[in-house]
Amino acid sequence: AQTVTQSQPEMSVQEAETVTLSCTYDTSESNYYLFWYKQPPSRQMILAIRQEAYKQQNATENRFSVNFQKAAKSFSLKISDSQLGDTAMYFCAFMWGGSEKLVFGKGTKLTVNP
Amino acid sequence: DVKVTQSSRYLVKRTGEKVFLECVQDMDHENMFWYRQDPGLGLRLIYFSYDVKMKEKGDIPEGYSVSREKKERFSLILESASTNQTSMYLCASSSPSRGATQPQHFGDGTRLSIL
Repeated sequence: AQTVTQSQPEMSVQEAETVTLSCTYDTSESNYYLFWYKQPPSRQMILAIRQEAYKQQNATENRFSVNFQKAAKSFSLKISDSQLGDTAMYFCAFMWGGSEKLVFGKGTKLTVNP
Repeated sequence: DVKVTQSSRYLVKRTGEKVFLECVQDMDHENMFWYRQDPGLGLRLIYFSYDVKMKEKGDIPEGYSVSREKKERFSLILESASTNQTSMYLCASSSPSRGATQPQHFGDGTRLSIL
């Protein structure tokens, strides 16, 4: 069974600084996908960034980027130039290629301080 | 944009009641999901539907059932509500991956309290 581990239940960062959220996963599959979802307080969960395991290049979306280390089964999220609107729960998630279902980590609560 | 609408943001029910949570999506997605979100536990899949009248158990189906009579609507049913079902419930939908994985789109969630 696939598992996703987020080892940081809570983190905080000052506005404009950079923060990295950790995620590790365990799978024997070779074809899979990884995601970071963002859930702002009392608001809808949205996809922040995703990575296909077969791609060596790390995904980037504006200020969000990932560090995908396939051999180490690590998928960390880096947020550059943090903004107050980045305050949210962040969930790392895994999907293997033959499934439609996501396996989520327990989440990291990120607070961006002014 | 994809719109996933959950019928209630907040709901309060009593122990033993039959509770219906409704979810509607407007993007003709085949896949629909019900999750439960609890602090420190993340999101856990209750049920998944990949087509009308088709359903598959997730990780925590006990005490729940689902109904998908129309493609756009996926209902979660608590047959006899208990206090340990007090939680945030999230609905999501997606297109089938078919070689290129599709993200799931979430509703705003229903915060359900069972007294």
